[in-house]
Amino acid sequence: EAQVTQNPRYLITVTGKKLTVTCSQNMNHEYMSWYRQDPGLGLRQIYYSMNVEVTDKGDVPEGYKVSRKEKRNFPLILESPSPNQTSLYFCASGRLFTGELFFGEGSRLTVL
Amino acid sequence: DQQVKQNSPSLSVQEGRISILNCDYTNSMFDYFLWYKKYPAEGPTFLISISSIKDKNEDGRFTVFLNKSAKHLSLHIVPSQPGDSAVYFCAASRSGYALNFGKGTSLLVTP
Repeated sequence: EAQVTQNPRYLITVTGKKLTVTCSQNMNHEYMSWYRQDPGLGLRQIYYSMNVEVTDKGDVPEGYKVSRKEKRNFPLILESPSPNQTSLYFCASGRLFTGELFFGEGSRLTVL
Repeated sequence: DQQVKQNSPSLSVQEGRISILNCDYTNSMFDYFLWYKKYPAEGPTFLISISSIKDKNEDGRFTVFLNKSAKHLSLHIVPSQPGDSAVYFCAASRSGYALNFGKGTSLLVTP
């Protein structure tokens, strides 16, 4: 089954404790991206990657890191989480230049 | 600055009637437009798209219209069904990547 898998789905953590949200896709897509969804703000892009070892900043990259060492995986790293990073995070993948993305089910992160 | 705007946070429509969701954009370089649908506790799913070289694209009950001069697109759902109740996101891109999303419109279809 074609899917984008994110883990963890839910996480409560404390300020400053490094965490990683994993994302894996099984569709051999070149393009992967991370979004955060906040009330009243819609979906905002954090980082995206057009291929292995190629990443670029989206609209709200501050406080986040990503890596793309393998085509299927695109982890999101919060080196020192802060309460303003409490959000619902979505990973997505797609073929280049189509704009048609497949989204994961989301990871709800709470930073206390 | 928001480049894709959905000015109606919510819309309520009776079952069987037409739902019209609107979207405006500011960047004239956008050349590809998409609509995504999102149910609670799920990720968004792709619904329908349109290239800037077209002004209409149809897929079953869903039709997207693009008015480039007005920088406006709309999604028509005919007839609306209760299962269409969801949040609808409009998105736009240049050359098909780095999608810019609107804030979403919550559609409620009542029986």
